[in-house]
Amino acid sequence: VTLLEQNPRWRLVPRGQAVNLRCILKNSQYPWMSWYQQDLQKQLQWLFTLRSPGDKEVKSLPGADYLATRVTDTELRLQVANMSQGRTLYCTCSADVWGGAGQDTQYFGPGTRLLVL
Amino acid sequence: GQQVQQSPASLVLQEGENAELQCNFSTSLNSMQWFYQRPGGSLVSLFYNPSGTKQSGRLTSTTVIKERRSSLHISSSQTTDSGTYLCAMERSTGYQNFYFGKGTSLTVIP
Repeated sequence: VTLLEQNPRWRLVPRGQAVNLRCILKNSQYPWMSWYQQDLQKQLQWLFTLRSPGDKEVKSLPGADYLATRVTDTELRLQVANMSQGRTLYCTCSADVWGGAGQDTQYFGPGTRLLVL
Repeated sequence: GQQVQQSPASLVLQEGENAELQCNFSTSLNSMQWFYQRPGGSLVSLFYNPSGTKQSGRLTSTTVIKERRSSLHISSSQTTDSGTYLCAMERSTGYQNFYFGKGTSLTVIP
């Protein structure tokens, strides 16, 4: 059973242009949603964890700027801007926040691969 | 510097052999997790293991928080175990500080 749907699955991004990613949660039992990035060297990095509709966070990392928004209980968005190197973005869901009493496991979406033109 | 060191960086096994993967942390931590990435890129969470030993099938994870280390034991390896094994920790200082190792690339040959 697929818990998370990510779209698009890949995208060519012209340098300097922003791109918007979506992650849809299929099971409300795992309401903690997160974004991770994996760079071209395969280094994985946690970006954000957002629980409630309306939550927003921003972060600037080498090679990209991020704005994450929890739109609804089932939708998480990520805007990627100023991307200079390709990367893959993964959405995850879990029953509790990492380290919380209910922490069990995290489930990953299929990922969105971004390539810079 | 790298907060999470994984060893070995790569490993080749004959099918049926056992493997021991190590993860060492340079700072104090609250908890850690093991992940598996398939050759095609999909990621799977294996263990959330803040301390002690957990087992799932042929996989066993042992974490000793005070010694800042965790291990993943794979018994009777199969070709389908091939892929990259990643560990990650939550630092005990700061809010939501999560760090990943560079991974161990495992290849199991028939």
